[in-house]
Amino acid sequence: NAGVTQTPKFQVLKTGQSMTLQCAQDMNHNSMYWYRQDPGMGLRLIYYSASEGTTDKGEVPNGYNVSRLNKREFSLRLESAAPSQTSVYFCASIPRPGQVNSPLHFGNGTRLTVT
Amino acid sequence: SQQGEEDPQALSIQEGENATMNCSYKTSINNLQWYRQNSGRGLVHLILIRSNEREKHSGRLRVTLDTSKKSSSLLITASRAADTASYFCATDYSGAGSYQLTFGKGTKLSVIP
Repeated sequence: NAGVTQTPKFQVLKTGQSMTLQCAQDMNHNSMYWYRQDPGMGLRLIYYSASEGTTDKGEVPNGYNVSRLNKREFSLRLESAAPSQTSVYFCASIPRPGQVNSPLHFGNGTRLTVT
Repeated sequence: SQQGEEDPQALSIQEGENATMNCSYKTSINNLQWYRQNSGRGLVHLILIRSNEREKHSGRLRVTLDTSKKSSSLLITASRAADTASYFCATDYSGAGSYQLTFGKGTKLSVIP
């Protein structure tokens, strides 16, 4: 049982390049999230998907797009990378939308550097 | 944003001592959660306390919640070197069918053997 799997683990991009961060969970969870973590800033929510077929903006959505491909997979795309998007990106999931007492399950992150 | 703030930002103690971390938040919550992050890894859930609870225990962890002061504390008793990690509090925001957790900036705990 792998939990939440993120790929790649590391990535270096040049300014203006695009890429997609992949996330998959095998726990049959309905809701999935993308966070970014920056030194001194904690985790900030980029986008989330309450259930398959829905996506919503979080606190810092600018410069990102997401796709909930199916119940298992939630991808994050950077169309034109900028140095300000250098960060560690975490994907997370919970079992059911609105299940307020459920903890998040996190992947191990993707460390992205934009030069 | 409805962000929790941990205090202190960093804490260094000797093995065997107790470690206390605090979290303050801004608005009413349904629950408050504590997470741990080892270096280079994702966050791992430690404990959840509901807004109608005042104290909760799990092994060497003790969490308190004071909704009147909008604050929570995490106590780790008899600390071990393996407890070295960053600890984050997270508060929920529920509205219009969504469920979001907002995280604080974390407390970095170092336990010296």
